[in-house]
Amino acid sequence: QVQMKETGPGLVQTTQTLAVTCTVSGVSLTSYGVHWVRQAPGKGLEWMGVIWKDGNTNYNSVLKSRLRISWETSKSQFFLTMNSLQTDDTAVYYCGGTTPWYFDFWGPGTMVTVSS
Amino acid sequence: DIQMTQSPASLSASLEEIVTITCKASQDIDDYLSWYQQKPGKSPQLLIYDASSLADGVPSRFSGSRSGTQYSLKISRPQVDDSGIYYCLQSYRTPWTFGGGTKLELK
Repeated sequence: QVQMKETGPGLVQTTQTLAVTCTVSGVSLTSYGVHWVRQAPGKGLEWMGVIWKDGNTNYNSVLKSRLRISWETSKSQFFLTMNSLQTDDTAVYYCGGTTPWYFDFWGPGTMVTVSS
Repeated sequence: DIQMTQSPASLSASLEEIVTITCKASQDIDDYLSWYQQKPGKSPQLLIYDASSLADGVPSRFSGSRSGTQYSLKISRPQVDDSGIYYCLQSYRTPWTFGGGTKLELK
């Protein structure tokens, strides 16, 4: 059974850097892309970026200057880091797996609140 | 970036109706279009991929179609459990983009 689970800090101060981890079990992600999607309270889904099975990355045009996605495949872990946080970065952060053009799997999400 | 314009933003439907939600792409996306349902407090779930293919375990009352750059999700005789928010996603080109969402209420 495939499981993806996000782990985040819960609360972060403005101007700091966010780090969220996605841990995957039950599947080898060598055939997948692992994406990050966020959802601000009461708002829609926003695609943030992806790391493909070859390690290449693509990012949201607006967020790309603040965003980095990386992985440690030996631990089946994927990482999202985003700097210069503001209060409007408050959201649920999801990781998801695609094969390769649609989401097969999602994590339950982790809520991140950015506070001044 | 490819823009996905989804409509309506919300709708209320009866159990006897046919519900249609549309997403219009700002350019050709060659059927790289999927639909997702999201319930409150839950992650999205795949309904349709490649514009018209039904995901495993999804009831046959859900269907997807395309006309030019407009994609549609149809729910025939929706059930109460179909309430939620529906999103389209284009994966033709990065950055991938979601539609703004449609909140469906069944009455």
